[in-house]
Amino acid sequence: AQSVTQLGSHVSVSEGALVLLRCNYSSSVPPYLFWYVQYPNQGLQLLLKYTSAATLVKGINGFEAEFKKSETSFHLTKPSAHMSDAAEYFCAVSFYNNNDMRFGAGTRLTVKP
Amino acid sequence: ETGVTQTPRHLVMGMTNKKSLKCEQHLGHNAMYWYKQSAKKPLELMFVYNFKEQTENNSVPSRFSPECPNSSHLFLHLHTLQPEDSALYLCASSQGTSGGAGTDTQYFGPGTRLTVL
Repeated sequence: AQSVTQLGSHVSVSEGALVLLRCNYSSSVPPYLFWYVQYPNQGLQLLLKYTSAATLVKGINGFEAEFKKSETSFHLTKPSAHMSDAAEYFCAVSFYNNNDMRFGAGTRLTVKP
Repeated sequence: ETGVTQTPRHLVMGMTNKKSLKCEQHLGHNAMYWYKQSAKKPLELMFVYNFKEQTENNSVPSRFSPECPNSSHLFLHLHTLQPEDSALYLCASSQGTSGGAGTDTQYFGPGTRLTVL
């Protein structure tokens, strides 16, 4: 069955530092992969998604992620963290004919001044 | 109103109460979803409706009963809940297609924080 694993439930970085949030997927067929962000007291908002086009995907707020089939990974990065990036980030996987999106457990990002 | 709205935002209920959660989407979408978000656990997909037809029911207890009267509205009827059902309940919608639905972006509401006493 398809699933995603997010390594690290909590990541802390300094403002201006590189952000790296890790996501690995498990799938026997080509997946579609998503990163969502959740700010306090809000629902989830799409950051970016991979749907079998370019392997390097650029999203909103300066985030990007690279699909690496050989590593079954879809890590999220941002070159320079901003205080407003503090939130919970979720990686998710789905498939072509399937509404059944599976989410990871989430990674809470803290940004220190 | 724009996007996906959910009411109420907070709900406290006893185990013998009956209540309903409401979700409305203003995006012209055809698929709607209920998720349960508990602390320290991945989001759990509960129900999916595609063109008003229920297409997924991920082994959800019968004390949760969904209703989708039209493509814009989704309800979750609650009765005889347990304290472990306390969680944030999120509604989402997506374009919904007969094929290729997996590529759809899901748009989420702010959620209803449910506490069962």
